[in-house]
Amino acid sequence: EIVMTQSPATLSVSPGERATLSCRASQSVSSNLAWYQQKPGQAPRLLIYGASTRATGIPARFSGSGSGTEFTLTISSLQSEDFAVYYCQQYNNWAGTFGQGTKVEIK
Amino acid sequence: QLQLQESGPGLVKPSETLSLTCTVSGGSISSSSYYWGWIRQPPGKGLEWIGSIYYSGSTYYNPSLKSRVTISVDTSKNQFSLKLSSVTAADTAVYYCSGYYGPIDYWGQGTLVTVSS
Repeated sequence: EIVMTQSPATLSVSPGERATLSCRASQSVSSNLAWYQQKPGQAPRLLIYGASTRATGIPARFSGSGSGTEFTLTISSLQSEDFAVYYCQQYNNWAGTFGQGTKVEIK
Repeated sequence: QLQLQESGPGLVKPSETLSLTCTVSGGSISSSSYYWGWIRQPPGKGLEWIGSIYYSGSTYYNPSLKSRVTISVDTSKNQFSLKLSSVTAADTAVYYCSGYYGPIDYWGQGTLVTVSS
C-alpha cells in the first residue's frame, strides 16, 4: 500500500498571503496525484489532478506541482473561502490512498 | 453530470453488518467510464478508502478492511452497495460514495453511520 504523508498538519496564514502545502508518497506515483479541499460538513471537492491540472471551475490561485514522490499545492493569495482542510490522494493504482490532511487556518 | 446519493441506516449495533446503498443518476452504472467507490471519514479525522468496483465486477478492497467488506452493483437499479460486517465503534464515520476514473470527480453528500448499542 502506498502511504501518503502531508505536511504541515496545520498551516496558519493571513488572508492575502501565500500557502504552500506538501505531500510525499512512499513510492513513486508518477503524476497520478490529486488535491481536494474539504470544508466542514461538506464532501471533498477536487481541486487539482495529474499533479498540476486544475479541475473545472477552480481559480487560478490554486496550483500544483511535483511528480514521483514529492508534490506541492500552492495557494497564491489566500481568500476567506480557502480556509479549509486539504487532502492529497494518489491514484496510481485504483485503490487511491489519501494523506492525513493539512488544515489551513486564519492567522 | 453524475449525481450520487447514499442511503441506509444511520445507527448500527456493534457486531452487526453496516449496509449502505448509493444511487447514481446522470449516468449508467454499467459504463466503462467510471469506477464506483466507498470512502469513509471518522468524526474529526481524515479520509479512508474502503473499496471500489468496476462495471466488469472487478473489486478492490482496502487490505485493512478486506475481510469485512463487500461491494456490489445492481445494474437494474443503477445502484451500488457497501456491506461492512462485524462493526465496532471504530467504524463510526461519514460514508461517502464516489464515481471516478482516476481522481474522484463525483462524490455523494455523505451519510453518518454511528455504531452503538
